Amino acid sequence: QSALTQPASVSGSPGQSITISCTGTSSDVGGYNYVSWYQQHPGKAPKLMIYDVSKRPSGVSNRFSGSKSGNTASLTISGLQAEDEADYYCCSYAGSSTLVFGGGTKLTVL
Amino acid sequence: QVQLQESGPGLVKPSQTLSLTCTVSGGSISSGSYYWSWIRQPAGKGLEWIGRIYTSGSTNYNPSLKSRVTISVDTSKNQFSLKLSSVTAADTAVYYCARVRGTVGSYFDYWGQGTLVTVSS
Repeated sequence: QSALTQPASVSGSPGQSITISCTGTSSDVGGYNYVSWYQQHPGKAPKLMIYDVSKRPSGVSNRFSGSKSGNTASLTISGLQAEDEADYYCCSYAGSSTLVFGGGTKLTVL
Repeated sequence: QVQLQESGPGLVKPSQTLSLTCTVSGGSISSGSYYWSWIRQPAGKGLEWIGRIYTSGSTNYNPSLKSRVTISVDTSKNQFSLKLSSVTAADTAVYYCARVRGTVGSYFDYWGQGTLVTVSS
C-alpha cells in the first residue's frame, strides 16, 4: 500500500482557480468512488472538504469541488482566497477495509 | 456537535508501547454506523492512516503497522484507544483521532486536535 501521489506545491493568485491532483492505482483511487480531501492549516487538525470524490459537506464553500478520471482524483478551488492557503491531502479507500493518504500539497496564494 | 480529545503520555521510550485514548463527547460512540480511527503525522510530513474500529469491536489496520497496532473501544466510557508497540524514533508524530463515515467508512468528518508523542530515551 503506497501513498497516493500529489504535487508538493501549487500556487495561484487571488481570484484564480487551481487544481490539485491525486494519483493512485486501480486498487485505490481508480477502483472506488471513495476519495476525500482535507485542508490543514499550520498547527491545526485537518478539515474535511470533499468526500466520495465530489460531495461537499455542509458548510464547505462551493468554491471547492472534486472530480476523478481513471486513477487520478482532483480538487479544484475556484476564486482563490488568502484563507485557502494551507496543506491539502487526498485520501482513498484502498480495498480490504484500508485507507491511504496522499503525500500532501502545499497551496500558496500569491 | 461531536468533539474528540486525545490524551496520553507525550514522551515514550524506544522499544516501549505508546498508549493513547480518544474521548468522544457530544454523542454516544456506539450510536450510528461509524468507525473510529487513528491517524498520525510526523513533523513536517504527511498524514498516515493507522487503523480504525467499529463499535462492534471489529478492527482494520494499516498493513505496514498491523503487527504493532491494537485499537480497542470502551463504550461505557465513550472512548477508544490506540496501542503501538516496540516504538522507535520513527513513531514520533502528532497523533489524531477521528470519526469515520461513509458507505465503506472512507472519510473523516470530525477530528481531535491532535497530541504530540515523542519517542526518545
